[in-house]
Amino acid sequence: EAQVTQNPRYLITVTGKKLTVTCSQNMNHEYMSWYRQDPGLGLRQIYYSMNVEVTDKGDVPEGYKVSRKEKRNFPLILESPSPNQTSLYFCASSLDGVRAGTEAFFGQGTRLTVV
Amino acid sequence: TQLLEQSPQFLSIQEGENLTVYCNSSSVFSSLQWYRQEPGEGPVLLVTVVTGGEVKKLKRLTFQFGDARKDSSLHITAAQPGDTGLYLCAGRPNSGGSNYKLTFGKGTLLTVNP
Repeated sequence: EAQVTQNPRYLITVTGKKLTVTCSQNMNHEYMSWYRQDPGLGLRQIYYSMNVEVTDKGDVPEGYKVSRKEKRNFPLILESPSPNQTSLYFCASSLDGVRAGTEAFFGQGTRLTVV
Repeated sequence: TQLLEQSPQFLSIQEGENLTVYCNSSSVFSSLQWYRQEPGEGPVLLVTVVTGGEVKKLKRLTFQFGDARKDSSLHITAAQPGDTGLYLCAGRPNSGGSNYKLTFGKGTLLTVNP
């Protein structure tokens, strides 16, 4: 089954404790991205990756890091989480990031709470 | 500044009613997509429109892309409780260098009461 898998689904952590949210896709997609979803603000892109070893900032990259060492995996790293990073996070992948109408496939989300 | 403005933000209707959700922008888009998101899940693609003036139908849902490719609408006929969810429009602006990012509107939260 074609899917994007995020882990964990839920995470409560303390300020300053480094964490990683994993994302894996089995569709051989080139393009992957991370979004955060907040009430009243909608989905905002954090980082994206056009292919292996190619990443770039989205709209709200501060406080986050990503890596793309393999095509299927795109982990999101919070080196020193703060309470304002409490949010619902989604990983998405698509065949590419350029062609009109390319469908984005989303993971089920990770609800992160930083206390 | 929000690139894609959706309206209304919230909509609560009775089963059997019709409704229309709008997605507007001052920018031209190479394509617009509509996604539906249910609680606890990620958004799922409903439709993609790529040609100005295009109309697509998906059962009771009708999607339209504006002639100038700056806006889109989603019309639901005879809404059912199963249509409840967050409806998101998304698009890639038609300007060079911005094609990588899929931009989302803030969404319309639809509740259909039985």
